[in-house]
Amino acid sequence: GENVEQHPSTLSVQEGDSAVIKCTYSDSASNYFPWYKQELGKGPQLIIDIRSNVGEKKDQRIAVTLNKTAKHFSLHITETQPEDSAVYFCAARHNTDKLIFGTGTRLQVFP
Amino acid sequence: DAGVIQSPRHEVTEMGQEVTLRCKLISGHNSLFWYRQTMMRGLELLIYFNNNVPIDDSGMPEDRFSAKMPNASFSTLKIQPSEPRDSAVYFCASSSSSLGSYGYTFGSGTRLTVV
Repeated sequence: GENVEQHPSTLSVQEGDSAVIKCTYSDSASNYFPWYKQELGKGPQLIIDIRSNVGEKKDQRIAVTLNKTAKHFSLHITETQPEDSAVYFCAARHNTDKLIFGTGTRLQVFP
Repeated sequence: DAGVIQSPRHEVTEMGQEVTLRCKLISGHNSLFWYRQTMMRGLELLIYFNNNVPIDDSGMPEDRFSAKMPNASFSTLKIQPSEPRDSAVYFCASSSSSLGSYGYTFGSGTRLTVV
């Protein structure tokens, strides 16, 4: 079955700097890759996603890149702000409705 | 839209008791997923339904766990009897592939503590 690995597990950056979180997946048939942000005491919230026929997608300060050959995808946050502090999860979808999640990255943005 | 609604938000129960967690899907969504989140194991998929039918329950830990979807908008996850190792945050999420999006919408979760 699909396996998703996520790095790093924790990331600390200064406000205004960029943050990058990386994920790899094992099943080359996976075709959809969302990213979720989870704030304390809340459920994960979808922030951006990308499908396998696209290499990059951008939404304001966040972007996701996908390298199908290498089977990895990354989340990029530019001009980080304290409110970006949260746990971020990547996920991969195979040919079913199931999403397999990475282990999460705790991002801390220091003012 | 009120989103995915879970109840209760918090549940504290004694070992051996039955626990029932509830989830109301977003109107129009046809897939329902139950996840368990712990520090050690992260987000684990327990079971998911499509059009009220259980599709994959391979993540259900053991026979003490059961899930139902009596109608298109509501699901329950039951643990009987509960054990301390069941303590976790349980999330349900819904989605609708017919809307052209595979993204899930999660509820706020139920924090279960079994003492």
